[in-house]
Amino acid sequence: QSALTQPASVSGSPGQSITISCTGTSSDVGNYNLVSWYQQHPGKAPKLMIYEVNKRPSGVSNRFSGSESGNTASLTISGLQAEDEADYYCCSYAGSRYVFGTGTKVTVL
Amino acid sequence: QVQLQESGPGLVKPSETLSLTCTVSSGSISSYYWSWIRQPPGKGLEWIGHIFYSGSTNYNPSLKSRVTISVDTSKNQFSLRLSSVTAADTAVYYCAARITGTTFGYWGQGTLVTVSS
Repeated sequence: QSALTQPASVSGSPGQSITISCTGTSSDVGNYNLVSWYQQHPGKAPKLMIYEVNKRPSGVSNRFSGSESGNTASLTISGLQAEDEADYYCCSYAGSRYVFGTGTKVTVL
Repeated sequence: QVQLQESGPGLVKPSETLSLTCTVSSGSISSYYWSWIRQPPGKGLEWIGHIFYSGSTNYNPSLKSRVTISVDTSKNQFSLRLSSVTAADTAVYYCAARITGTTFGYWGQGTLVTVSS
């Protein structure tokens, strides 16, 4: 029942694209199309950015996109902006429970 | 736009019970699944459990023996009780609305609970 695995940090320059991976198992990510992604700025509550692998809530920039292949989900941020600097967490359903990723700190250089 | 607000003691002694309440406003508690999620200082998020307005619950297996989540529909509130706390339970506790799947669409601001004598 471990957390999903994410890289500890990812960085990029303004305007570039970055991708954050979220690796689970066939019991969670690989078994359900129910991965979501959250953005968290310091001292703030998480904010939903992507749900059901690749759907964007109203109000979230189309620079954010999600995908999934096998046991790994990914979040891509295109046209990186200073305001994107934050921690990002994935979340997957794992059969009667919900498991979050280890978190990735995104730094805009 | 659903709004959530956590309330409760910010300091709990070891071995005692942590109790928090989440008040739901601008929305009905008969919608969604109401969740508790925590985040130890400097660490990641952990799902604790959720409750539906009918009273149906589901808990994280790692915490199940110590957790109780309840709902008071007349007050539009739901609550968390975590027993036999230790320093490892020190965290920011968030209440959140799970809309569907893993879509935690609305979050409270979070409240820091410190376990210390």
